[in-house]
Order: sequence, then structure tokens, then C-alpha cells
Amino acid sequence: EVQLLESGGGLVQPGGSLRLSCAASGFTFSDYAMRWVRQAPGKGLEWVSGIAYTGGNTHYADSVKGRFTISRDNSKNTLYLQMNSLRAEDTALYYCAKAGCSMTSCYSNFWGQGTLVTVSS
Amino acid sequence: DIVMTQSPDSLAVSLGERATINCKSSQSVLDSSNNKNYVAWYQQKPGQPPKLLIYWASTREFGVPDRFSGTGSATDFTLTLSSLQAEDVAVYYCQQYYSTPQTFGQGTKLEIK
Repeated sequence: EVQLLESGGGLVQPGGSLRLSCAASGFTFSDYAMRWVRQAPGKGLEWVSGIAYTGGNTHYADSVKGRFTISRDNSKNTLYLQMNSLRAEDTALYYCAKAGCSMTSCYSNFWGQGTLVTVSS
Repeated sequence: DIVMTQSPDSLAVSLGERATINCKSSQSVLDSSNNKNYVAWYQQKPGQPPKLLIYWASTREFGVPDRFSGTGSATDFTLTLSSLQAEDVAVYYCQQYYSTPQTFGQGTKLEIK
């Protein structure tokens, strides 16, 4: 059974940092691209970042480019999102999602339950 | 960035009736090299993460009821529920994964009339 368990969310002041983690199980993690998608309270879905199965190819939304870094450790079956210089508009539920294939140009076929990030003073 | 625009924003349909949600992309998401449209549809129920329904514009995900179908090509796509059931009440999103950022439509809220 595929499982994605996000952690690391919480309350942080503007300008602060957080590191999100997503522990994967139930599939061969190193075979699939992964991504982070967020959803602000009461709003729609926003793709944040994606990473290819090797970790060598990464992409970011313009809204987070230069502030967020996606990475993965295939030996630990874990996806990460390092978030720096956080802003109020980064407040959202952050979902980890598994791609349906190895490349970044692929749909997401499984999502975790999400971890809530709140940026506020 | 490719903009995905869904219509309508909300929709109320009687049980057993057909529901149709449209999605238009600001540029073609058809890859002529493989003849695939890079569009997916997701269903999100309150308090739950999104669930994949359709990918490559028309391929139903394993386990998704066959009352859900996806059609369209290039810039115009449609999600159809042939006979609305009570458990289909949700918000539906289209997404393009042709290029990054992999943008979503704004969502369509489907309710029972």
C-alpha cells in the first residue's frame, strides 16, 4: 500500500525557515518523480516544486524560486522541501505527491494527507 | 506559464443526471511526438487530499468508476460524470503537466441540486 507521510510543518515567523519531509513507503521510491503541492486555506491547488526520480532535475514555481529547495534521499525513501525567507502568503497545507512515472512531466497519482505551514508573527 | 481555466466555478446537478466540467488551457498541451495530451483531473472531497481520476486527458485511473470520463485535445478538455452519485460531491481540478509550473485550474465545486 502506497503511503506518503508529511511532517515538519508548524507556525513560523515571517522570514523564518522550515524543512518539510515526506516519508514514502509501499513503492520503489527511487523509480518515481515527486512533487510538492500546496493549498492555502479555502483556496485551490498550487504546484510548488517537482524533482525527477534521480534528484538531478528540479523545478520550482516562480512564487518560491530562490527561497525553496526540493531534494530527495532515495536511500531513505524521503522527499524534502527546505523553505527559507517564509512569507505570510506561504501559509498553506503542503502536500507531498507521487508522480505516475519517473519524469517530472507526469501526473500525480497519490497524495499524502499534508502538513500545515502557518507563517505569522 | 500555461493558464488553466475551468468552467463553471460551481455546478448543481440532480442525482442520476449528467455533470460536465470544462477546462481550457492557454496554449496547447498536446505533444505531437507521442500524441498525448498532458492533462489530469482530480477530485477533492472536504478534508481530504486530491485523488487522481483521469490522466493523459482520457485514461481513467485504476479503481475510478466508469461514470467518470475525460475527453478533449490540445486546449479544450472536459470531465463528464454520466450519472451523479451522492459521493461525487467534491471540488474537481484539471491540471496540465506539459510544462512547469504544472498549473491547476481554479476548481469546480460540484453539488447536488
